Amino acid sequence: SQKIEQNSEALNIQEGKTATLTCNYTNYSPAYLQWYRQDPGRGPVFLLLIRENEKEKRKERLKVTFDTTLKQSLFHITASQPADSATYLCALDRFLDSGYALNFGKGTSLLVTP
Amino acid sequence: DGGITQSPKYLFRKEGQNVTLSCEQNLNHDAMYWYRQDPGQGLRLIYYSQIVNDFQKGDIAEGYSVSREKKESFPLTVTSAQKNPTAFYLCASSSNPGLQPGHTFGSGTRLTVV
Repeated sequence: SQKIEQNSEALNIQEGKTATLTCNYTNYSPAYLQWYRQDPGRGPVFLLLIRENEKEKRKERLKVTFDTTLKQSLFHITASQPADSATYLCALDRFLDSGYALNFGKGTSLLVTP
Repeated sequence: DGGITQSPKYLFRKEGQNVTLSCEQNLNHDAMYWYRQDPGQGLRLIYYSQIVNDFQKGDIAEGYSVSREKKESFPLTVTSAQKNPTAFYLCASSSNPGLQPGHTFGSGTRLTVV
């Protein structure tokens, strides 16, 4: 079955450093890979999408890489700030009989300390 | 501003009672979704609808029902047949997946059985 794995342990880093989160998947050939941010008690917020034919995508302090050979995506936050503390979810597209949805990983909690 | 509104934010259900969670969007999106989130778990798909008057079961549809009578609205009913309904429920929408595959989420409804 299709499986998405993200680091279950929380990632603690110091302000100003680069945070790197990992998303691995198996039994899957996604056309897209997406990253979302979720704050406690809130819905996820879409951050970035990368397509299977793209190696890297950037948006301000965020960078996503996508290696379809390794079946892995890395999500980087450079010059991290305490406000970046949240849970980050990886999601892959799934095409259903009558439409389209997403499969989500369990998320990795990031804590940035001053 | 366009977005998705979920209500109520908190909901308490007695044993054997049906409850309905509201989801309204003004983004003019065709597709709408309901996901369930449990602690330490990824989001799981309950129901999805790609177009008005049509909806499909997701991975965990048992004990739930939906309707899609209007493009803007996709209410979810949690029936007494759902044995473990305590969870965080998230509604989402998306436009044409080929053009804009990201999901826009509401802020969620936390349902507790009392």
